[in-house]
Amino acid sequence: AQSVTQPDIHITVSEGASLELRCNYSYGATPYLFWYVQSPGQGLQLLLKYFSGDTLVQGIKGFEAEFKRSQSSFNLRKPSVHWSDAAEYFCAVGAWQAGTALIFGKGTTLSVSS
Amino acid sequence: NAGVTQTPKFRVLKTGQSMTLLCAQDMNHEYMYWYRQDPGMGLRLIHYSVGEGTTAKGEVPDGYNVSRLKKQNFLLGLESAAPSQTSVYFCASSYDGKQNTEAFFGQGTRLTVV
Repeated sequence: AQSVTQPDIHITVSEGASLELRCNYSYGATPYLFWYVQSPGQGLQLLLKYFSGDTLVQGIKGFEAEFKRSQSSFNLRKPSVHWSDAAEYFCAVGAWQAGTALIFGKGTTLSVSS
Repeated sequence: NAGVTQTPKFRVLKTGQSMTLLCAQDMNHEYMYWYRQDPGMGLRLIHYSVGEGTTAKGEVPDGYNVSRLKKQNFLLGLESAAPSQTSVYFCASSYDGKQNTEAFFGQGTRLTVV
């Protein structure tokens, strides 16, 4: 069955330090992958998406993610974190072909320390 | 440019009461979704619709009903609310169900059942 795992529930990073949020997926077909961000009390905003082609995708707010088929991973990265990046981050796989919709991981909460 | 609008934003219900959450989108999207978000659980799909007049069950459909009488609206009903339905509910829409389609989210409805 299709699923998404985000192994880290909560991560704290110092402002200016680099960030990597992990995401592993299980999906029988070619995966279509997304990262969303949710600021407190807000809805979800798309950061980036991967469908095919270049395995390194660029998104908004300086984020990027790398698709690694051999590891079933789609990790999110940012070279230098800003205090405004503190939020909850969700990885998701598009599973419409499997008769459902976007399947989300449980999320990773990012805290930024000064 | 409203996007996806959810009504109401907050609601408190007593156990056994009923209510309907309204989701409206102005992007002419075919697909619409209802998710619930609970701490540590991520977003779980309740029901979704692939077009006007259609509905389908998601991961956690029990206790909820939906209707899609008009393309732009997707209603989520609770016939007899239970404390376990205390959650934040998100509606989303996408142009279609192909894998490379981005889903747009509303701002959420915070429901408390006492």
